[in-house]
Amino acid sequence: GEDVEQSLFLSVREGDSSVINCTYTDSSSTYLYWYKQEPGAGLQLLTYIFSNMDMKQDQRLTVLLNKKDKHLSLRIADTQTGDSAIYFCAESSNTGKLIFGQGTTLQVKP
Amino acid sequence: DTGVSQDPRHKITKRGQNVTFRCDPISEHNRLYWYRQTLGQGPEFLTYFQNEAQLEKSRLLSDRFSAERPKGSFSTLEIQRTEQGDSAMYLCASSPGLAGTGGQFFGPGTRLTVL
Repeated sequence: GEDVEQSLFLSVREGDSSVINCTYTDSSSTYLYWYKQEPGAGLQLLTYIFSNMDMKQDQRLTVLLNKKDKHLSLRIADTQTGDSAIYFCAESSNTGKLIFGQGTTLQVKP
Repeated sequence: DTGVSQDPRHKITKRGQNVTFRCDPISEHNRLYWYRQTLGQGPEFLTYFQNEAQLEKSRLLSDRFSAERPKGSFSTLEIQRTEQGDSAMYLCASSPGLAGTGGQFFGPGTRLTVL
């Protein structure tokens, strides 16, 4: 069945890079997504990658996709305290619904 | 504001009561999705609409839950005879159409507390 897994917690110092990892099971997923959720708020779409790409860069964000291992990562360069949030990886099914992981809480220490 | 809006933002009800939530998607987005999120978990898919047609329902959507999108614009999600286990954040999202392309855009959610 469809399943997405993420590590639950990551702590970094301000200015360092953060790498959040995700594994998924549905090899037919066309797009993979990263969302950010701040306390008490909805989900903000950060970036997404098409499954035939290996990498996508968008300002401080870099997404790496290893389709063979079904592994997705999000790298945040020069992490700031404002980046503290929960980050969700999601895969899309062929009907478009999103399957989310449990979320990774990113703590940025000043 | 042209984002997805949801109303109410918070709802407290007693067990056994009925509740209804509303979602207004981004205009021209013909796909509308409902998800439920409990504490410490990622959102779980409930149902989605393409225009006014409800095309998929999760097995999480018991017969106490019903969703509509009568004119292909806003949508409502009703929960009848609420139970404490229904306490969660109910999220609505919309997307422009082709499955999976460009991502879904989420509203702020409706937090339901069932006492």
